Amino acid sequence: GESVGLHLPTLSVQEGDNSIINCAYSNSASDYFIWYKQESGKGPQFIIDIRSNMDKRQGQRVTVLLNKTVKHLSLQIAATQPGDSAVYFCAENRSGGSNYKLTFGKGTLLTVNP
Amino acid sequence: EAGVVQSPRYKIIEKKQPVAFWCNPISGHNTLYWYRQNLGQGPELLIRYENEEAVDDSQLPKDRFSAERLKGVDSTLKIQPAELGDSAVYLCASSKGDNEQFFGPGTRLTVL
Repeated sequence: GESVGLHLPTLSVQEGDNSIINCAYSNSASDYFIWYKQESGKGPQFIIDIRSNMDKRQGQRVTVLLNKTVKHLSLQIAATQPGDSAVYFCAENRSGGSNYKLTFGKGTLLTVNP
Repeated sequence: EAGVVQSPRYKIIEKKQPVAFWCNPISGHNTLYWYRQNLGQGPELLIRYENEEAVDDSQLPKDRFSAERLKGVDSTLKIQPAELGDSAVYLCASSKGDNEQFFGPGTRLTVL
C-alpha cells in the first residue's frame, strides 16, 4: 500500500481563512519531503520542501511542519485566496536525500469559497 | 525561460492502437522523468533519465511501454498496444541533477 497519503481528500475554506492540509508517511527512512500544488490541466508545481533535520520551514504565506515522531507532515496556507484552489500533494523521498525518487500521496482538493 | 513542453496535450485512441508522447525539457536540465497520473492520484514515476541513459525504469511496463532520449534532450514515451487501463495523464518533468523537478502540463490519454 501507499506509505504517503492524506487524511482528507477535500478541504473547503473561506477566503481569508488559514488552511491546513495534512499528510502521513510510514517510511522512517524518508528524509526529504515536498509539497506540490496542481491546478486543473497543469502539472504539479513546487511549493515548499523540508528535510528531516528540520521540524518547520516557512515560505511566502506557506509553512510546512514535520513531526517525525508520528510521521506526519502538514502544509499551512495563511490568508487563503481563491488562487490557492487546487489539489495539493505531499511527496517523500526514499533514496537518502536526493530529489529524484519521489513518491507522491493521493492529494487533497482545496476549494476556497469567496 | 520556457518551461517543460509536452505534446500532444490530449490524445484519444482506440485500444490496441499505438500512441507516442513527446517532451522537451527545460534547457540545461540533464535529468528527465516520465510519470503517469491516474485520476485522483499522485504521479507515479515510470522512468528517469540522466542525459541519454535510463537510470531507473523499474516501474515502466516494458511489455508495452518504451521510452527514448537519444540525444539527451527531447524524449518520447510510447505505448504499443494501448489498453483501456492506460488512460491517464502522462507527465514529463526535468531537473538539473537531483534538484527541484519542474513538470510539464501533461498529455491526457483516453483509450476507448
